[in-house]
Amino acid sequence: GAVVSQHPSRVICKSGTSVKIECRSLDFQATTMFWYRQFPKQSLMLMATSNEGSKATYEQGVEKDKFLINHASLTLSTLTVTSAHPEDSSFYICSARLNTDTQYFGPGTRLTVL
Amino acid sequence: KNQVEQSPQSLIILEGKNCTLQCNYTVSPFSNLRWYKQDTGRGPVSLTIMTFSENTKSNGRYTATLDADTKQSSLHITASQLSDSASYICVVSGRGGSYIPTFGRGTSLIVHP
Repeated sequence: GAVVSQHPSRVICKSGTSVKIECRSLDFQATTMFWYRQFPKQSLMLMATSNEGSKATYEQGVEKDKFLINHASLTLSTLTVTSAHPEDSSFYICSARLNTDTQYFGPGTRLTVL
Repeated sequence: KNQVEQSPQSLIILEGKNCTLQCNYTVSPFSNLRWYKQDTGRGPVSLTIMTFSENTKSNGRYTATLDADTKQSSLHITASQLSDSASYICVVSGRGGSYIPTFGRGTSLIVHP
């Protein structure tokens, strides 16, 4: 099946720094990608919908100035956590939409903010 | 409000036994329902996808059922293996709109030897 990669898989950073996470669709073009956050023993929570060439759509309660999303090409979306704090520590997962019925998930990025 | 409820929240079974996970949803109008397997620390992997007209779909030892009238789905795992230990997530998508699927909270399955 289609492959979606994320980089890095794990990142540890100091409080106040910014962290960029990349999401790539390796064998298909995705005009839409989604970013999710998952806390321990919780389900995935949609943070934002990333559309190639336009501004991302953020879910209620997600700060767009803190979680910057850029979808500059049909195969790459990036999520930048700005001025990260310990409460931002989480598992961040992206998915790329192949068609109306199908999205493929990346392997996730474990962010730890000290 | 679209909702997806899964039960049980967690389940422990012995290797070789069968088990059934449940998913009830209120998403309308309905487009499709997917079951995902998520290993700890990994992204979800699709097991099955079912549309309105499908009642049963199998993928190896995984069999999903769908009753669109009662808005219920189940995932049956046969002859469980240790590698089946994971979280199983039910995801329901509606028709039209911006295609934002609704996620269940998942069932955590632990298979003991």
